[in-house]
Amino acid sequence: GQQLNQSPQSMFIQEGEDVSMNCTSSSIFNTWLWYKQDPGEGPVLLIALYKAGELTSNGRLTAQFGITRKDSFLNISASIPSDVGIYFCAGLPLNYGGSQGNLIFGKGTKLSVKP
Amino acid sequence: DGGITQSPKYLFRKEGQNVTLSCEQNLNHDAMYWYRQDPGQGLRLIYYSQIVNDFQKGDIAEGYSVSREKKESFPLTVTSAQKNPTAFYLCASSIETSGRDEQFFGPGTRLTVL
Repeated sequence: GQQLNQSPQSMFIQEGEDVSMNCTSSSIFNTWLWYKQDPGEGPVLLIALYKAGELTSNGRLTAQFGITRKDSFLNISASIPSDVGIYFCAGLPLNYGGSQGNLIFGKGTKLSVKP
Repeated sequence: DGGITQSPKYLFRKEGQNVTLSCEQNLNHDAMYWYRQDPGQGLRLIYYSQIVNDFQKGDIAEGYSVSREKKESFPLTVTSAQKNPTAFYLCASSIETSGRDEQFFGPGTRLTVL
């Protein structure tokens, strides 16, 4: 089946640092979604992207839909302690024709605070 | 407040027992989904329903069953045929609108088989 490669798997942040993560695939996607999940809770939608090249911000978060339609990036500027959690990308492959049952999820990037 | 509720938050079951997880939404969304999440893994789709009285299997439907008798409710039954049922289960919903694929999640149910 189709897969999304999300990297890095984990990272440590110090308050005030900028953070970057990305998702890539060998297939073309027509939707990219970014979610954040706190421990023991459901994922919360952060940003949705629908057009190649689209750059969208939500506060300190900025996400981009890659021009090739095979990748997406999420940046967090000036990180704060509450940014800790797991960030998931999710994409809808082009060949599913918009069927909503077929979002594919990355395995997540775990953000932790540097000791 | 509009949202998705799942109950219970924690569920324990003995081997060989069926158990039903509840999912309710008051967002007036047409589509609902069930996912399974294991540690360090992404979400895997179990079942989804785009309209009342209709549902489709996802990638890992074996050992699970669902019903969609009402728009706002999509219960999931984990049957004794599911070999490894201990996991975190997430319900989601979305508007069935062309071009919009945003799914919104409930708080999850953690199922543990004793």
